[in-house]
Amino acid sequence: QKEVEQDPGPLSVPEGAIVSLNCTYSNSAFQYFMWYRQYSRKGPELLMYTYSSGNKEDGRFTAQVDKSSKYISLFIRDSQPSDSATYLCAMRLARDSNYQLIWGAGTKLIIKP
Amino acid sequence: GAVVSQHPSRVICKSGTSVKIECRSLDFQATTMFWYRQFPKQSLMLMATSNEGSKATYEQGVEKDKFLINHASLTLSTLTVTSAHPEDSSFYICSASSGTGLFFGSGTQLSVL
Repeated sequence: QKEVEQDPGPLSVPEGAIVSLNCTYSNSAFQYFMWYRQYSRKGPELLMYTYSSGNKEDGRFTAQVDKSSKYISLFIRDSQPSDSATYLCAMRLARDSNYQLIWGAGTKLIIKP
Repeated sequence: GAVVSQHPSRVICKSGTSVKIECRSLDFQATTMFWYRQFPKQSLMLMATSNEGSKATYEQGVEKDKFLINHASLTLSTLTVTSAHPEDSSFYICSASSGTGLFFGSGTQLSVL
């Protein structure tokens, strides 16, 4: 079993829809949770950064962490064609000062105009 | 967010030659940088952790004599693919940790003929 599970998709939704992306994990010691967006043949771009459980909102993006269920989510409201990309979840241990991340496989998202 | 610059973005070389990829943190000092490899439609695979002023730490299965990493300053790490072969063709990405998270370069597409 992988430490972090993420459905690779692709996930195809119409423009304007609410998108829900998810990851599950097995290590309860993870404390920091991140979502990255990666366009084809580009480096990942940090979207959301969350510590421990709870919600965090930034514009059209909302990140949720449920540590009791070992489940994290990224919601995208009013999705746009420019949101089409691969979204990777990542997480790390609190004691890891070198920011070495454990990655999900990435979900390819397609927003249809 | 912090900016990480990676060069070149694309390189084509002949089999047997060596290729150097540079990763620079432009507006922060990074004591730790990471090098990843990414195959098409797959997630990031950590190759090594590069620490300023010391030897890199390689992940299991990564040949340290083939993938030479030098982290000579707090803003520059280099990855040299020595005696490249077609199977080394891949997308290589670096990242650097700042106080606020992990930031990525734009990646280098290496094609070995």
